[in-house]
Amino acid sequence: SQTIHQWPATLVQPVGSPLSLECTVEGTSNPNLYWYRQAAGRGLQLLFYSVGIGQISSEVPQNLSASRPQDRQFILSSKKLLLSDSGFYLCAWRKRTGGIDGYTFGSGTRLTVV
Amino acid sequence: DQQVKQNSPSLSVQEGRISILNCDYTNSMFDYFLWYKKYPAEGPTFLISISSIKDKNEDGRFTVFLNKSAKHLSLHIVPSQPGDSAVYFCAANPSGTYKYIFGTGTRLKVLA
Repeated sequence: SQTIHQWPATLVQPVGSPLSLECTVEGTSNPNLYWYRQAAGRGLQLLFYSVGIGQISSEVPQNLSASRPQDRQFILSSKKLLLSDSGFYLCAWRKRTGGIDGYTFGSGTRLTVV
Repeated sequence: DQQVKQNSPSLSVQEGRISILNCDYTNSMFDYFLWYKKYPAEGPTFLISISSIKDKNEDGRFTVFLNKSAKHLSLHIVPSQPGDSAVYFCAANPSGTYKYIFGTGTRLKVLA
């Protein structure tokens, strides 16, 4: 079966510390992968997407970076977290089945920078 | 520049009545639209979609209407149930791109 895993579920990090969030998909190959962030009171903001290994497109310049070291792995990183990096981070996989085109989202990571 | 707008941040509806959630967009190159439902601390889940070649799509209690000339789509939930209480996001895909652009969401509260 096709699934998407994202961890950790919650994270509290001090300002200036590094960050690494991991997302993996199973049951598919060469997926398009995405990182979104939902900040408090705001919608879903696209941060990065990747259409293949080593291919990263950045939508919003900021304190974060992304990498795709393997076909089914997508990593969101930061060298030094800012308070404004707090939010709910979602990994997504673009899936086309039965004529429907859309995302399957992971369960999300709640990041609080203190 | 918000290309997909949900101008109502919240909506309250009595159980059994119709819920109507609205979404406006600015880019005429959007050719596919989605609605997602999100509970707190969970990832969004897919509800219903519509292609720009259609003006209506129905799935059980959920119907999405698309008015291309007005660049407007709406999600109707009939009848509304307390379990429908969540944040609803609309999303649009610019033709030929890999990404979806999401609106800011509308929080629906269905009152028992």
